[in-house]
Amino acid sequence: EAGVTQFPSHSVIEKGQTVTLRCDPISGHDNLYWYRRVMGKEIKFLLHFVKESKQDESGMPNNRFLAERTGGTYSTLKVQPAELEDSGVYFCASSQVIRARTDTQYFGPGTRLTVL
Amino acid sequence: KQEVTQIPAALSVPEGENLVLNCSFTDSAIYNLQWFRQDPGKGLTSLLLIQSSQREQTSGRLNASLDKSSGRSTLYIAASQPGDSATYLCAVRPNYGQNFVFGPGTRLSVLP
Repeated sequence: EAGVTQFPSHSVIEKGQTVTLRCDPISGHDNLYWYRRVMGKEIKFLLHFVKESKQDESGMPNNRFLAERTGGTYSTLKVQPAELEDSGVYFCASSQVIRARTDTQYFGPGTRLTVL
Repeated sequence: KQEVTQIPAALSVPEGENLVLNCSFTDSAIYNLQWFRQDPGKGLTSLLLIQSSQREQTSGRLNASLDKSSGRSTLYIAASQPGDSATYLCAVRPNYGQNFVFGPGTRLSVLP
């Protein structure tokens, strides 16, 4: 079974440009999470989808970030316009609650975003 | 608000030593705690997952303990090897279905 995949693995853009990151969760996983780690800081939660609905977006830093999960399958995270402080590694994770109170998150390899 | 800290921030040991990494969290009401490893430029590798009802988990040379009441977890690595060099992250989940709260990590270097 394929794990969580993310594309691209690395993106280098200039300040002011737009970048779209993609995450493909494990097939059948309803829960999808975005996290990021900026330089020198810990990994921080961005948002959580349950199927196509945003369950929790309390971690989104500002309105330059837009996440979507149309159809409840893959998700995209768009940064527009990108700023220098957006540089970091963006992780995606997915999980499925098989039965009440069992829930394991599986992480993707991350996308390294560099804003110049 | 849950906060996770890890001590030490960095650790350098000679090959073969046993070592302990520490993780503390402020809110003892957690669903589970997980230890991850991150290699430079790579993603997260799950090492050990401890449910809130468990006290420890073991995998090979790794042993993780959990003391919920005191808000602490330790990761014990036996007979360290250069290949263990990486950043070790501790993360807690407040409840099932919720996101992880990560610590800042401990950067481990095992010298040959």
